[in-house]
Amino acid sequence: GAVVSQHPSWVICKSGTSVKIECRSLDFQATTMFWYRQFPKQSLMLMATSNEGSKATYEQGVEKDKFLINHASLTLSTLTVTSAHPEDSSFYICSADRTLFGPGTRLLVL
Amino acid sequence: DAKTTQPPSMDCAEGRAANLPCNHSTISGNEYVYWYRQIHSQGPQYIIHGLKNNETNEMASLIITEDRKSSTLILPHATLRDTAVYYCIVRVGGPYNTDKLIFGTGTRLQVFP
Repeated sequence: GAVVSQHPSWVICKSGTSVKIECRSLDFQATTMFWYRQFPKQSLMLMATSNEGSKATYEQGVEKDKFLINHASLTLSTLTVTSAHPEDSSFYICSADRTLFGPGTRLLVL
Repeated sequence: DAKTTQPPSMDCAEGRAANLPCNHSTISGNEYVYWYRQIHSQGPQYIIHGLKNNETNEMASLIITEDRKSSTLILPHATLRDTAVYYCIVRVGGPYNTDKLIFGTGTRLQVFP
């Protein structure tokens, strides 16, 4: 059945490096994907809406130059955290529609 | 979009029914009620949704009041694995709608032995 996968499931990186997180739709095509961020003991916060073949739509307060989103195909959206800092450490989750969410990617920036 | 209000936490004994309330008094006629849960360190899991009628699936039942201003998610026989944060979201459009969802703070359900 339809599944959303994320890779990697967790990543540790040094401050100042960039990290790419992949979100894939398996067995279906997704023209739209959503990226969320979740800090410990908090709810999910929508970061941006990823649209295949066009620019992502970012929520207010989310830096588009820091969180680069690319949705180059109908089955893959990527989120790149550029020049990551410790405050970017979080749980990043993608979803394809209202019923399908990825398992999440835990990012730790040292 | 209609705002939802949920209790921050609830307890339930294993094997008993867990009844999780959600208030959405400003819901409009074309808004659906969605329920999700998030087990610790995992992505959210869709549970059920409804518009007007009560709904049931293999995971849970959704009871929506006649005036649609509140709803209850029922887990008929809670197990320890049902311990999670449960989110009630009200939104225009059906389940395959690609408009964004906004998560509130949810209810932390603790199932105890």
